Amino acid sequence: EVQLVESGGGLVQPGRSMKLSCAASGFTFNNYDMAWVCQAPKKGLEWVATISYDGSSTYYRDSVKGRFTISRDNAKSTLYLQMDSLRSEDTATYYCARQGTMGPTWDYWGQGVMVTVSS
Amino acid sequence: DVVLTQSPATLSVTPGERISLSCRASESVDTYLHWYQQKPNESPRLLIKYASQSISGIPSRFSGSGSGTDFTLSINGVELEDLSIYYCQQGNSLPYTFGAGTKLELK
Repeated sequence: EVQLVESGGGLVQPGRSMKLSCAASGFTFNNYDMAWVCQAPKKGLEWVATISYDGSSTYYRDSVKGRFTISRDNAKSTLYLQMDSLRSEDTATYYCARQGTMGPTWDYWGQGVMVTVSS
Repeated sequence: DVVLTQSPATLSVTPGERISLSCRASESVDTYLHWYQQKPNESPRLLIKYASQSISGIPSRFSGSGSGTDFTLSINGVELEDLSIYYCQQGNSLPYTFGAGTKLELK
């Protein structure tokens, strides 16, 4: 059974940093591109970043470029999102998602982790 | 960025009826258009990929159609468990974008 379990969320002050983790199991992690998708409270879904199966390529939405870093440790089957210079508008639930083998469609999602940026 | 416009924003439904949800793209996304269902307090679930391809484990009452800029998600015989928000998403070009969603509610 495919499982994605996020951790590392919570309350953080504006300008500070936070690192999210996503532990994957039930599939061969290093065969799949992975992504982070977020959802602000009572709002819709927003793609944040994608990393290729081997970590060689990364892609970001403009609003997080230069502040967020997506990475992975294939030996540990774990995906990360390092979030620096956090802003109030980054407040959201962050989902880890497995990307389909044929491109950017997300076939498995974690349960999500809440990040609240507030003083 | 590709803007996806979903309509209607809210749809009141009666169990058993056939319904259609629309997703219109601001430019062609070919068939790189996917549909997700999100129930309250749950993670999204992939329903249809590449406009019309079915997903294992998803009930056959869900189907998708379209290409280019106009897409439709149909539910043939709505059930109470289908009361959710439905999002379309394009994977044709970066940044990948979602529509604002259509909420199905009970009439």
